[in-house]
Amino acid sequence: LAKTTQPISMDSYEGQEVNITCSHNNIATNDYITWYQQFPSQGPRFIIQGYKTKVTNEVASLFIPADRKSSTLSLPRVSLSDTAVYYCLVAGSGNTGKLIFGQGTTLQVKP
Amino acid sequence: GAVVSQHPSRVICKSGTSVKIECRSLDFQATTMFWYRQFPKQSLMLMATSNEGSKATYEQGVEKDKFLINHASLTLSTLTVTSAHPEDSSFYICSARSRAQEQFFGPGTRLTVL
Repeated sequence: LAKTTQPISMDSYEGQEVNITCSHNNIATNDYITWYQQFPSQGPRFIIQGYKTKVTNEVASLFIPADRKSSTLSLPRVSLSDTAVYYCLVAGSGNTGKLIFGQGTTLQVKP
Repeated sequence: GAVVSQHPSRVICKSGTSVKIECRSLDFQATTMFWYRQFPKQSLMLMATSNEGSKATYEQGVEKDKFLINHASLTLSTLTVTSAHPEDSSFYICSARSRAQEQFFGPGTRLTVL
C-alpha cells in the first residue's frame, strides 16, 4: 500500500485559498487518490477523489501531476469551519480497498 | 453521499465487561466493512477488515479474541470489545465500502472504560 506524506500542520486566514500537498512516491497504477476531512470526535468525511490531472467538485479541487507521485488539495476561500484534519489516502480498487491513514494535516483557519 | 451509522455514539462501561458496537450502511449494501480505532490527537488505525459471511482479517498487533467482529449481512457489522480495560478506551470508527468501490465512514463511537 502506498505511503503518503503530508505537512503536519498549516495555518491560514478566512477567505484565503489553501493548498495542501501530499507525496505518494510509491503509488501503483491502479491506485486512486482520495482526500478526507475530519472534525474532532467525528468520522472522516469524503472530500474528493481523483486518478490523474484535475478534479473539481463543489467544495475543492484536486491537482495530480502526470507522474502521480504527489497531489494537491485546493480549498478555495476557506472559512473558520474548515478548521479540521485533512487526510490524503491512496488505495486501489482491485485490492481489499483498505485505507491506511497517515498523520494528516491539521489546518487552522484564523479570523 | 451514502450514510453509515454507528450505535451507540458513546458508551461508558466498567472494566471487565464486554461492549458491542454496531455499524450499519443505511442506503447501500456494503461488500466490505472496516473497523478503525483512534486515540486522542492521533490518526485512525485500521484494526480489521470484514467481508459479509466470512471471518474478519485483523491487522498485525490487533487481538482477534479481544475484538470480535461479526459481519452477518451486507448492511451490518458489529465489533465487540471483550473484557474491556481502561486502555481500550478510544474512538472506534467503522467504514463501509459499496459495490462501486466508494468508502464511507460512520460517525464514530466513543468508548470509555472505567
